[in-house]
Amino acid sequence: QKEVEQNSGPLSVPEGAIASLNCTYSDRGSQSFFWYRQYSGKSPELIMSIYSNGDKEDGRFTAQLNKASQYVSLLIRDSQPSDSATYLCAVNIINSGNTPLVFGKGTRLSVIA
Amino acid sequence: DGGITQSPKYLFRKEGQNVTLSCEQNLNHDAMYWYRQDPGQGLRLIYYSQIVNDFQKGDIAEGYSVSREKKESFPLTVTSAQKNPTAFYLCASRQGGDTGELFFGEGSRLTVL
Repeated sequence: QKEVEQNSGPLSVPEGAIASLNCTYSDRGSQSFFWYRQYSGKSPELIMSIYSNGDKEDGRFTAQLNKASQYVSLLIRDSQPSDSATYLCAVNIINSGNTPLVFGKGTRLSVIA
Repeated sequence: DGGITQSPKYLFRKEGQNVTLSCEQNLNHDAMYWYRQDPGQGLRLIYYSQIVNDFQKGDIAEGYSVSREKKESFPLTVTSAQKNPTAFYLCASRQGGDTGELFFGEGSRLTVL
C-alpha cells in the first residue's frame, strides 16, 4: 500500500516568515514528487516538482527531497497572506507509465498578516 | 488556450438520479483521471484511463462509471448506487512519461438534495 503522509495543520505563520511543509512517503520506488496548492473551493494547481535529491528553488518556493529518509518538503520564504491555502504533496513511481499519483491529505497553511 | 474543461461547475440532483459530469482536454494527454474530494479531505481516485477504450478502477469506483471513447473526453457518471455522492469532483490529465505532471480542471461540485 503506497502512502503519502502530511500533517493536516493548520500551520500558522506570521507574514514574512518561512513556512515549512513536510511530506513522507512509504514506497522506496517513488521517483517523482509534486507540490500542489489548493485554495478553498478551487482545484489544485502545480507549484513545484522535484525528481532528484537536494533542493530545487523557484522564486519564494524551495522543494527539498531526501530519498534515503523518504521525505519531501516545501519551504515558502517571505510568506504572504495570499499563500494561505492547502498544500498537497503527490508522489509517483517512475517507469510506471501513467499510473496515478498518490496524494497526501494536505496541510492547511494560514499566513497571519 | 490548452486546458481541461469540466462541466457543469455546479450540479444539483435528487436522490435516485444518475448524473454525468463532463471532462474534455485539448492538451493531447494520453491519461485522464477522476478524483473525488470531500471537505477537509484529500483526493481519492475514482477511475483512470491510460489510453482510449481502456480504463481502470481507482480506490472508490463503486457507484461510478466512465467511458473513454475519444482521447479528449472522459465523462464520469455518478449512479444512484453511489450512497453519498455530494462532493467536489476533479478531472485531471497527464502526458506520458515518467515525469509527467498532472493538470486539473476547475472541478464540478455535485450536491444531492
